[in-house]
Amino acid sequence: DVKVTQSSRYLVKRTGEKVFLECVQDMDHENMFWYRQDPGLGLRLIYFSYDVKMKEKGDIPEGYSVSREKKERFSLILESASTNQTSMYLCASSLGGAFNPFGRSAEAFFGQGTRLTVV
Amino acid sequence: SQQGEEDPQALSIQEGENATMNCSYKTSINNLQWYRQNSGRGLVHLILIRSNEREKHSGRLRVTLDTSKKSSSLLITASRAADTASYFCATDFGNNRLAFGKGNQVVVIP
Repeated sequence: DVKVTQSSRYLVKRTGEKVFLECVQDMDHENMFWYRQDPGLGLRLIYFSYDVKMKEKGDIPEGYSVSREKKERFSLILESASTNQTSMYLCASSLGGAFNPFGRSAEAFFGQGTRLTVV
Repeated sequence: SQQGEEDPQALSIQEGENATMNCSYKTSINNLQWYRQNSGRGLVHLILIRSNEREKHSGRLRVTLDTSKKSSSLLITASRAADTASYFCATDFGNNRLAFGKGNQVVVIP
């Protein structure tokens, strides 16, 4: 089974801190995603990556950056945490590329989520 | 951004009843997927329906897709208390990303 592991379930950080959220997947998936989830807003895509060192902005990239140095690991970085970044962060991965019979993306596998509180 | 939009937003039913949720979207898609999220957890994939399919079944789940109306429905038959969760539709526009709706909270009363 695919496993997507996020480094923390709960995290409390101070305003202005640099925050790293780590995500690791064990199924050699090409695609990896970071979403944030807020009540009434659903899941919003922050960044995604379709290959090592490749990244694309999602719908709400402001205040975030990402790093993908290895295929299995996708890190989300809050350069200077602010209270409006308090949220649930979800990492996901999916099979992409030529091996995917459904086209370039298929079902996504999610981590358990990181609930980040910025105080 | 293009997103699926679920309707109704919240649903409360008795155990054993059927639950139906709808999802609408705005542009052409490669496939549409439904996910379940238990409280405070990550999302779990339930079913994927391709743009050239009209109906798909998986256990007690039935999904339909009407590309002319740009809508999909998820039916859960004979609901159980364990089906209490939020349900999301997600659309794949073929650009390597999934766009999720806001979710549909279902409460099944034992």
